[in-house]
Amino acid sequence: GAGVSQSPSNKVTEKGKDVELRCDPISGHTALYWYRQRLGQGLEFLIYFQGNSAPDKSGLPSDRFSAERTGESVSTLTIQRTQQEDSAVYLCASSLEEGVEQYFGPGTRLTVT
Amino acid sequence: QKEVEQNSGPLSVPEGAIASLNCTYSDRGSQSFFWYRQYSGKSPELIMSIYSNGDKEDGRFTAQLNKASQYVSLLIRDSQPSDSATYLCAVMDSNYQLIWGAGTKLIIKP
Repeated sequence: GAGVSQSPSNKVTEKGKDVELRCDPISGHTALYWYRQRLGQGLEFLIYFQGNSAPDKSGLPSDRFSAERTGESVSTLTIQRTQQEDSAVYLCASSLEEGVEQYFGPGTRLTVT
Repeated sequence: QKEVEQNSGPLSVPEGAIASLNCTYSDRGSQSFFWYRQYSGKSPELIMSIYSNGDKEDGRFTAQLNKASQYVSLLIRDSQPSDSATYLCAVMDSNYQLIWGAGTKLIIKP
């Protein structure tokens, strides 16, 4: 079946612009996770959704970052007023339910110039 | 501060030998443990999950869990050059958040 998909695969934006990243989880997966991975670094947790609610937003780096999920399906991660330090790969993962295996999408590579 | 520790490597193993990757974690209440493989420029790919003490085998891969020692390992038998990648250990905490290790870079030498 279809895996997790993310769009766009690459995004180049100018400093100060807003960007929106999209994630389509595996069908039927109730939990959805966003991570950030800077070049050569480990995974940094941002936020997760169980259904449409976000029990844990503790990883969002600043109030410029927000995320939403509608219809227990698609999620969008929005970064406002992008900064150069936001440059990274943004990874989305989904799982059937909380506490079990997470499956990753291919990621969105964001470059802020 | 919940932590997952891995040796960053690189770990160099001859082709055909057994590669042994180790991970320790700090949260004694953790119940779910995962190994992911990440090729350069790609996203993490799930290899194994393990939930109870002991060994779990899947093809050339064996995950081992010892909750008393807070230790989880991954063995790769008959290592192939295509196994060269970074291996990430991840531990699920009681809040359903995955705590990630920094990864061990594995190099299989032909």
